[in-house]
Amino acid sequence: GAGVSQSPRYKVAKRGQDVALRCDPISGHVSLFWYQQALGQGPEFLTYFQNEAQLDKSGLPSDRFFAERPEGSVSTLKIQRTQQEDSAVYLCASSHREGLTEAFFGQGTRLTVV
Amino acid sequence: LAKTTQPISMDSYEGQEVNITCSHNNIATNDYITWYQQFPSQGPRFIIQGYKTKVTNEVASLFIPADRKSSTLSLPRVSLSDTAVYYCLVGDSGAAGNKLTFGGGTRVLVKP
Repeated sequence: GAGVSQSPRYKVAKRGQDVALRCDPISGHVSLFWYQQALGQGPEFLTYFQNEAQLDKSGLPSDRFFAERPEGSVSTLKIQRTQQEDSAVYLCASSHREGLTEAFFGQGTRLTVV
Repeated sequence: LAKTTQPISMDSYEGQEVNITCSHNNIATNDYITWYQQFPSQGPRFIIQGYKTKVTNEVASLFIPADRKSSTLSLPRVSLSDTAVYYCLVGDSGAAGNKLTFGGGTRVLVKP
């Protein structure tokens, strides 16, 4: 497809379960970003990749959160031992340049931890 | 990163022009001003970006005064489908790893 694709669209996890969220960026886009958006709030930055290198992970809320982009294309955000406060929409964005000019966002994955 | 302040919400009617002003008093020399639109259950969508004066595209206009401490997004003749949250962001778009910092946004409700 032409846009950023995220899967699954919805995920329900039991507290303590591990989850993996996938992002397929636009082909050829160098930069990839993950954001977390709580209900009624603006997106909050989690982490940034330039190709396969994770250059900024300052927004990851705890060491239970881990992201990777091993071949500089598809990225996975993994959350271990999920907690209720992890419930949110997780957004992925990609950009064709190193800097962030026009970023293209996916529809997000809505994670609900019960 | 420069912080932005924008109204929490605005109501309008179909066919009217909507103007959303964003304050960014600490904007840096290299910073650009970017606006995104977000519909429910979708990711944000880029609307417009500018550095100074006025920028116009097929969707909106962006007015930036000389001191660049504020900017105004103008949506001409809105329709019901323009109901969304609009975010004002400020940052050095050319810097590698520059991350978009979203605030709370402005919820625009367009009424019939």
